[in-house]
Amino acid sequence: DAGITQSPRHKVTETGTPVTLRCHQTENHRYMYWYRQDPGHGLRLIHYSYGVKDTDKGEVSDGYSVSRSKTEDFLLTLESATSSQTSVYFCAISMTGAEQYFGPGTRLTVT
Amino acid sequence: QQQVKQSPQSLIVQKGGISIINCAYENTAFDYFPWYQQFPGKGPALLIAIRPDVSEKKEGRFTISFNKSAKQFSLHIMDSQPGDSATYFCAASRRNTDKLIFGTGTRLQVFP
Repeated sequence: DAGITQSPRHKVTETGTPVTLRCHQTENHRYMYWYRQDPGHGLRLIHYSYGVKDTDKGEVSDGYSVSRSKTEDFLLTLESATSSQTSVYFCAISMTGAEQYFGPGTRLTVT
Repeated sequence: QQQVKQSPQSLIVQKGGISIINCAYENTAFDYFPWYQQFPGKGPALLIAIRPDVSEKKEGRFTISFNKSAKQFSLHIMDSQPGDSATYFCAASRRNTDKLIFGTGTRLQVFP
């Protein structure tokens, strides 16, 4: 998985609680991305980062925030989890922004 | 707004046959078209990619065909094998941007 780890790999949480997912890379790639994958929707971009402290929104950013204080770490926070945020979350990294390499995913269930 | 339309949603092919997955796009500014392969429980893996200066790119049994005038590109898997059973995603990105737009995926099943 191209030197990308995600933690936790599985999480069950209750509605209304905050949740933070972590993506860690060892490749020193500039770009990092958070996607969610849902049946019938493919992969949808939540937020991405083009450098330390530089982030931007994707197409489904509502209810999510991100932070990148170090090149190797990109955190995704669900401020107050809802059942609609039950999904599989993937982190991806890229040197150029074009070729992206994905992590193993985090399965999140919000009850 | 879905900018990359992928079909079919699912595909069943016999071992040794040809699997064909199609994608169509709207934005003529797209200039990079990758395909990803995803096995159950794993992250998507970059399989093959093409830029619009060529009409075809082949890597082993996998070929991308690109039709710029029709704004379509397709993935052909020759001599399909049961180990090719996976979900395949096409994607596209615009020049001078750093984001990919994904299709909705095709679940391929290859039966012996």
